Amino acid sequence: AQSVTQPDIHITVSEGASLELRCNYSYGATPYLFWYVQSPGQGLQLLLKYFSGDTLVQGIKGFEAEFKRSQSSFNLRKPSVHWSDAAEYFCALNDYKLSFGAGTTVTVRA
Amino acid sequence: DSGVTQTPKHLITATGQRVTLRCSPRSGDLSVYWYQQSLDQGLQFLIQYYNGEERAKGNILERFSAQQFPDLHSELNLSSLELGDSALYFCASSPQGTGGNEKLFFGSGTQLSVL
Repeated sequence: AQSVTQPDIHITVSEGASLELRCNYSYGATPYLFWYVQSPGQGLQLLLKYFSGDTLVQGIKGFEAEFKRSQSSFNLRKPSVHWSDAAEYFCALNDYKLSFGAGTTVTVRA
Repeated sequence: DSGVTQTPKHLITATGQRVTLRCSPRSGDLSVYWYQQSLDQGLQFLIQYYNGEERAKGNILERFSAQQFPDLHSELNLSSLELGDSALYFCASSPQGTGGNEKLFFGSGTQLSVL
């Protein structure tokens, strides 16, 4: 069965510092992977997706993610965090339905 | 703005009651999905419709039902409500509902509080 694991429930990062959010997946074939962001009181917005090709994918808002098949991972990164990046981030895998990880809440301190 | 509209934004009701949540998909999208987000369960897939027909079912309780109408809007009906049904209910839409690399567009959700 497909599953997505986000090991970190909460991460605090200083503004301007780099951010990395971890995501591990379990799936029998090549996965379709996504990162979504949810700001307080908002719906989910797609940051980026991976389904084939280049393992480093670029997304919106300066985010990127790297797919590593050998590690079953799809980690999200941002070189320099802005206060507006404070939100909850979800990794997801799409088979016939989109299955989400538990989410990682990011707090940005000044 | 994702183009997906959900109403109402907030709903407060009592145990044992029945409510209806409404979703209008993005223009041109044929598939609608319903998700439930709660603190203990996270984001759970409930059900998917494509062009009026049920396509996939997830962790949806028997007390819950949904349908998609000819104009493609969808309703999620929740009955015999329990305290544990309090959650944020999201609707999402996509063009074909084929999964894979198809992008889902999410509404801003309906916050249901059962008292």
